[in-house]
Amino acid sequence: KQEVTQIPAALSVPEGENLVLNCSFTDSAIYNLQWFRQDPGKGLTSLLLIQSSQREQTSGRLNASLDKSSGRSTLYIAASQPGDSATYLCAVRVSYNTDKLIFGTGTRLQVFP
Amino acid sequence: DTGVSQDPRHKITKRGQNVTFRCDPISEHNRLYWYRQTLGQGPEFLTYFQNEAQLEKSRLLSDRFSAERPKGSFSTLEIQRTEQGDSAMYLCASSAKTRNTEAFFGQGTRLTVV
Repeated sequence: KQEVTQIPAALSVPEGENLVLNCSFTDSAIYNLQWFRQDPGKGLTSLLLIQSSQREQTSGRLNASLDKSSGRSTLYIAASQPGDSATYLCAVRVSYNTDKLIFGTGTRLQVFP
Repeated sequence: DTGVSQDPRHKITKRGQNVTFRCDPISEHNRLYWYRQTLGQGPEFLTYFQNEAQLEKSRLLSDRFSAERPKGSFSTLEIQRTEQGDSAMYLCASSAKTRNTEAFFGQGTRLTVV
């Protein structure tokens, strides 16, 4: 059974810091991995999608890497800003006959001025 | 098309009442998903449609829950005889036909059962 874990559960940093959020999964047989942002009481906003054949994806100040063999992904946020404060969720699309996403419990990030 | 749309955004209901939520996916997406999220947790998969066919249902989807997607367009999720444990955010997502494609989520429906 696929399980997704995110560490740390919460993170508080001053503005301007570079930071790394971690995501690990137990079964390396995945189609892709997606990182989402969720603001309090809101839905999910897709940030980056990494296919199983890719090693990393970049969008602006965000960079996500994927190491399938070790079951890990990292989300790197450069030069953090208060507007980055949110919960960050990673999810894997599992193989076999399903298209569902398996989510981690998220990392709650606070960036203070 | 501005994205996945869910209605209502908030619903407060008394225990034992029935509720129905609606999801309008991105128009060219043929795959539609329902997830449930409780406080402090990641979303949990409930069910999945490809066009009008419901292809998978989670064990979380008890007999009180039913989902439909008539004509492969919008979808509804109905909860009968609501219980306090049903209080959660119900999220809808859609994706295109290609398997390795991105899922886009709506803003969710927050259900509170009192």
